[in-house]
Amino acid sequence: SQQGEEDPQALSIQEGENATMNCSYKTSINNLQWYRQNSGRGLVHLILIRSNEREKHSGRLRVTLDTSKKSSSLLITASRAADTASYFCAQSVGGGNKLTFGTGTQLKVEL
Amino acid sequence: GAGVSQSPSNKVTEKGKDVELRCDPISGHTALYWYRQRLGQGLEFLIYFQGNSAPDKSGLPSDRFSAERTGESVSTLTIQRTQQEDSAVYLCASSYGQGEGYTFGSGTRLTVV
Repeated sequence: SQQGEEDPQALSIQEGENATMNCSYKTSINNLQWYRQNSGRGLVHLILIRSNEREKHSGRLRVTLDTSKKSSSLLITASRAADTASYFCAQSVGGGNKLTFGTGTQLKVEL
Repeated sequence: GAGVSQSPSNKVTEKGKDVELRCDPISGHTALYWYRQRLGQGLEFLIYFQGNSAPDKSGLPSDRFSAERTGESVSTLTIQRTQQEDSAVYLCASSYGQGEGYTFGSGTRLTVV
C-alpha cells in the first residue's frame, strides 16, 4: 500500500503563477523527498527535508514539513512551461534508505 | 559512470518468456534500488541492495521475480515466465545510502504481448 498521497492529482496553471502540491503520509519518517518525472521515465531528485527540519529552499522550490500533521508541501514559484511534469513525494521510513513513493501530482504549466 | 545506466531501454517479449534487465549504478553508490511503475501510477518498490548486507526483497511480487547485485556494481532483475501484468517501466536507482537522495536511470519499458 502507498505510504503517501499527493494532492491534487492534477494541477493546471498559467506560466508565472505559483504551484503548490501537498503530500500526506501515514507513519513517522526519517526524511521526505520530492522528485520530478518527465515523460514517464527516470525521476529527478529535487529536494530532501529531514524530520527535524520545517522548511527548505532550493532556487524556485520551497518545501515545508509538518510532522505533527504528517504532511509536506512543495511550492514552485514563478512557474515555467518547462516545469510541466509529474511530481512525487517519497518517505524514508525505518532503517536503511528505502523510499516509499506517493501517487504523484501531474502539473501542467501553460503559456 | 556519470549517471545510472539501464538496458535495454525498451523490451517487447512474448508471454511466458524470461527477461533480464540490467542496471549500472553510479560508481561509489553503495545502495541500489529497483522499482516498477505501471502506466499512470506511482512507483512500486521491488528490491533494495545496501553494500554487502542481505537485500531487502520485500517488494518482489512473486517468485518469478529475482535480482542480483555483484558487490557494489551492476545489478540484474530477472522476470521468469512473463505475464501481461508485468508490463511496466522498471526503474533502477542508486544512492550513497542512508539519508541521501536517489539518482534514477531512465528505466526499461517492458511490454509483454
